[in-house]
Amino acid sequence: QVQLQESGPGLVKPSETLSLTCTVSGGSFSSSYWSWIRQPPGKGLEWIGYIFYSGITNYNPSLKSRVTISVDTSKNQFSLKLSSVTAADTAVYYCARGGGLLDVWGKGTTVTVSS
Amino acid sequence: DIQMTQSPSSLSASVGDRVTFTCQASQDINNYLNWFQQKPGKAPKLLIYDASNLETGVPSRFSGSGSGTDFTFTISSLQPEDIAAYYCQQYDDFPPTFGQGTQVDI
Repeated sequence: QVQLQESGPGLVKPSETLSLTCTVSGGSFSSSYWSWIRQPPGKGLEWIGYIFYSGITNYNPSLKSRVTISVDTSKNQFSLKLSSVTAADTAVYYCARGGGLLDVWGKGTTVTVSS
Repeated sequence: DIQMTQSPSSLSASVGDRVTFTCQASQDINNYLNWFQQKPGKAPKLLIYDASNLETGVPSRFSGSGSGTDFTFTISSLQPEDIAAYYCQQYDDFPPTFGQGTQVDI
């Protein structure tokens, strides 16, 4: 049974870079797409981007200029970096398996942007 | 981006009721439509994929139907544990987009 776990700082200062990592266990990391999705407090879901295990990426155009997703196949991990954050980036961040069909999700991690 | 509009935004029903709500896409999404259940403080859980396919392990009281731009989600007999927000999501076109959610209460 594939499991995903997000990790990273829960507090980021405005204008700095948000960095999160998702660790995948219990299943095959290769041959899958891996996504990041976020949910601001009390709001809906926004897909951020995905990475294929080979390193191919695709980002939401609304965030593309600030987002980088990378992969470390030796550790079964993929990571999210979001630069120049503002309060609007405060959200629960989820990692999930899949690029469009998101069938397994992590529990999520709350990131607050505040000075 | 394809806009996904869910209706209603919230509903209240009784245990045992048949509950139905809808999701409309701003253009044809070729049945690439998924339904998620999200309980407070939890991650979304995939219930239905590709409009009408029940994800493994999901109770059969949940079902999905529809095609093109109009889709329906049904709970045949509402149970107390079904209290949650439900989201539709399309992945026919890039970027994948979600509806704003339907909150189901008892």
